[in-house]
Amino acid sequence: AQSVTQLDSHVSVSEGTPVLLRCNYSSSYSPSLFWYVQHPNKGLQLLLKYTSAATLVKGINGFEAEFKKSETSFHLTKPSAHMSDAAEYFCVVSDQSSNTGKLIFGQGTTLQVKP
Amino acid sequence: DTEVTQTPKHLVMGMTNKKSLKCEQHMGHRAMYWYKQKAKKPPELMFVYSYEKLSINESVPSRFSPECPNSSLLNLHLHALQPEDSALYLCASSRLDGTYEQYFGPGTRLTVT
Repeated sequence: AQSVTQLDSHVSVSEGTPVLLRCNYSSSYSPSLFWYVQHPNKGLQLLLKYTSAATLVKGINGFEAEFKKSETSFHLTKPSAHMSDAAEYFCVVSDQSSNTGKLIFGQGTTLQVKP
Repeated sequence: DTEVTQTPKHLVMGMTNKKSLKCEQHMGHRAMYWYKQKAKKPPELMFVYSYEKLSINESVPSRFSPECPNSSLLNLHLHALQPEDSALYLCASSRLDGTYEQYFGPGTRLTVT
């Protein structure tokens, strides 16, 4: 069975400081992993994806994530937080056991950015 | 173009009303999805259409009825809803080539009174 655990439900940083949002996954397959961002009352936007190519994945808005198979982790980072980064972030793994395109979501991490 | 559009943006309906949510994509994706999202929670999958055929129904009550008229359109027909059905309803689409990243619409905020 595949699963995703986001280790922090809430992260608070100051503007201009680094961001680290932690995600561990469990998968019997070579996983496809994603980070999505959701601003209040909006849909989900794909930040980046890992699909067994380079282990360091660069996404939009300066975000990147590193796939570490030995640690079963896919943490999201950004060198310098901006006020506009305040949002809900979801770590997601594709359910490759069913070949249906189904996604398995983590519970989400709320990122607060203080001025 | 990676846009998925949804109408309406907001919908208020009584428990005896019938209404429909609409979703459209022009990315050539052959999978489309309906999700329900409550506040502070991840989206919950409701239905999946693959090649315009219903492939997954996550035990959704029959008061929700999906329809996929063609490869670009997805509807969700609503009838006799309950107040607990109030939520953000998200549509998404994806290719079916093994990567599975989904592109989401902005959602319809549904309130059942």
